[in-house]
Amino acid sequence: KQEVTQIPAALSVPEGENLVLNCSFTDSAIYNLQWFRQDPGKGLTSLLLIQSSQREQTSGRLNASLDKSSGRSTLYIAASQPGDSATYLCAPGEDRDDKIIFGKGTRLHILP
Amino acid sequence: DTGVSQDPRHKITKRGQNVTFRCDPISEHNRLYWYRQTLGQGPEFLTYFQNEAQLEKSRLLSDRFSAERPKGSFSTLEIQRTEQGDSAMYLCASSLFERNPQAFFGQGTRLTVV
Repeated sequence: KQEVTQIPAALSVPEGENLVLNCSFTDSAIYNLQWFRQDPGKGLTSLLLIQSSQREQTSGRLNASLDKSSGRSTLYIAASQPGDSATYLCAPGEDRDDKIIFGKGTRLHILP
Repeated sequence: DTGVSQDPRHKITKRGQNVTFRCDPISEHNRLYWYRQTLGQGPEFLTYFQNEAQLEKSRLLSDRFSAERPKGSFSTLEIQRTEQGDSAMYLCASSLFERNPQAFFGQGTRLTVV
């Protein structure tokens, strides 16, 4: 059974800092991995999708990397802004049955 | 296309009542997922469909839960004899799986059982 762990669970940093969110998963048989953002009481917004054959994906100030064999992914946020405050969720898509499994997320607070 | 739509956005019900939620996926998306999320937790997988076929139902779901996607378009999730432990956000997502497995989520239905 796939288990996804996200570290740290919560993070508060001053505006402007670069930061890294970590995700690990136990079953490396995945076809892709997505990073989502969730604002309080809202649904999820897909930020980045990395195919299993890729090492990284970039969108604006966001960069996600994937090391499938070691079961790890990181989300790098450059020059953080207060509007980046949200919960960030990591979700590998399983090869075996195509399900998308989530971690508990990292609650990020960017201090103005 | 306005994205994945869920209805209602909020539902308050008395314990023991039945409730039904609806999800309208992005047009032509063949894959549809249902998740449940409680405060401070990530979304938990409940069930998913490929067109009208239900592929799997999580062991988290008791027999009180049922989901359908009768014509491969919209889907419904019904909870019978609701319990306070059913209070959660119910999220729906869709994707065009073979071409682009990126999942798009709706805004969710927040259920409160009193």
